[in-house]
Amino acid sequence: EDKVVQSPLSLVVHEGDTVTLNCSYEVTNFRSLLWYKQEKKAPTFLFMLTSSGIEKKSGRLSSILDKKELFSILNITATQTGDSAVYLCAVEVAGNNRKLIWGLGTSLAVNP
Amino acid sequence: DTAVSQTPKYLVTQMGNDKSIKCEQNLGHDTMYWYKQDSKKFLKIMFSYNNKELIINETVPNRFSPKSPDKAHLNLHINSLELGDSAVYFCASRTGSYNEQFFGPGTRLTVL
Repeated sequence: EDKVVQSPLSLVVHEGDTVTLNCSYEVTNFRSLLWYKQEKKAPTFLFMLTSSGIEKKSGRLSSILDKKELFSILNITATQTGDSAVYLCAVEVAGNNRKLIWGLGTSLAVNP
Repeated sequence: DTAVSQTPKYLVTQMGNDKSIKCEQNLGHDTMYWYKQDSKKFLKIMFSYNNKELIINETVPNRFSPKSPDKAHLNLHINSLELGDSAVYFCASRTGSYNEQFFGPGTRLTVL
């Protein structure tokens, strides 16, 4: 059965810390891996990764994929209280319906 | 200019009632989804339509019936509501060419 596992499930840090969130997967017919940020409302898209070893970067956030070891990491440097959210990882499976398999998320709390 | 909109935002109802949630997207996307997110924040795919055709139908009680009158709309009707149906229901859409899903603001359903 396809699955996506995120760790840790929750994390509490202080402003200015750097955090690394993990996402490992076991799926057939991998197509891409996506990271989303969910605050109080709907998930908002962060990154899509399809190739190993190519870092995607947006401001203080960056992500990389390892298709050999079947995982991705999301790094946030110099964290701010506004980074507090649930970070969701999803893997798209190739096929006619191209379904996303979602992880449970990592709940990040950044304290001032 | 809302890209994916849902109505209502909140729905409080009694067990046994029948209710509908509506979703509309103005992005020109051809694929739409319904997700259920429970209190543990797990996003569970329920249904997906591509150009008004059902392409994903997960193991969901048949009390739930999606309807897509056109590719910009995907509604969800729920019969005989149960306590366990209480959750946030998210609608999402995507294009045929890209993997990113755009989420609506969610409908918080509370069954009393």
